[in-house]
Amino acid sequence: QVQLVQSGAEVKKPGASVKVSCKASGYTFTSYGISWVRQAPGQGLEWMGWINTYNGNTDYAQKFQGRVTMTTDTSMTTAYMELRSLRSDDTAVYYCARGGDGLDFWGQGALVTVSS
Amino acid sequence: EIVLTQSPDFQSVTPKEKVTITCRASQSIGSSLHWYQQKPDQSPKLLIKYASQSISGVPSRFSGSGSGTDFTLTINSLEAEDAAAYYCHQSSSLPITFGQGTRLEIK
Repeated sequence: QVQLVQSGAEVKKPGASVKVSCKASGYTFTSYGISWVRQAPGQGLEWMGWINTYNGNTDYAQKFQGRVTMTTDTSMTTAYMELRSLRSDDTAVYYCARGGDGLDFWGQGALVTVSS
Repeated sequence: EIVLTQSPDFQSVTPKEKVTITCRASQSIGSSLHWYQQKPDQSPKLLIKYASQSISGVPSRFSGSGSGTDFTLTINSLEAEDAAAYYCHQSSSLPITFGQGTRLEIK
């Protein structure tokens, strides 16, 4: 069965970086892109970007341009999202999801807390 | 950027009631509109893709309709387990955007 398993919760100081992983299984990894979506506490869903797992092409939301990098390791069927220069308002649950259109499978989420 | 506006923001409903949630796009997106359900402390779950296509394993009481700028998610005969937040999502053009969400409370 399709599964996306994310890395665990992180606590970071302002200005630091965080790298969240998303391990995919149960399907051909390079046949579907991976999207990253975040959700601040009590708030809605915010799209961060998408990576084409076949060729590594990315599209980032303008809001995160220059601060985010999405990569994959196809041998490990794992996608990564790195966010730099963290601020307190980056505190959120970060989700990976399969696809770029209807996001049909989601990871369990990784809580990133940014606090001094 | 395409803005998706959902209504209502919140609705309190009784079991077996029929519920309609709407999503309006700021410009035409064809049928590139998808619906998700998110229960507290859970990841979102895809309910409907491309405006009206059903998803395997999703109860048949959930249905979607619409095209262009106006879309509807309908829940027939609401059940207690349907208490959740519901989001629409457009994939017509970048940046991908989500609606602000509709919270459904079961009385």
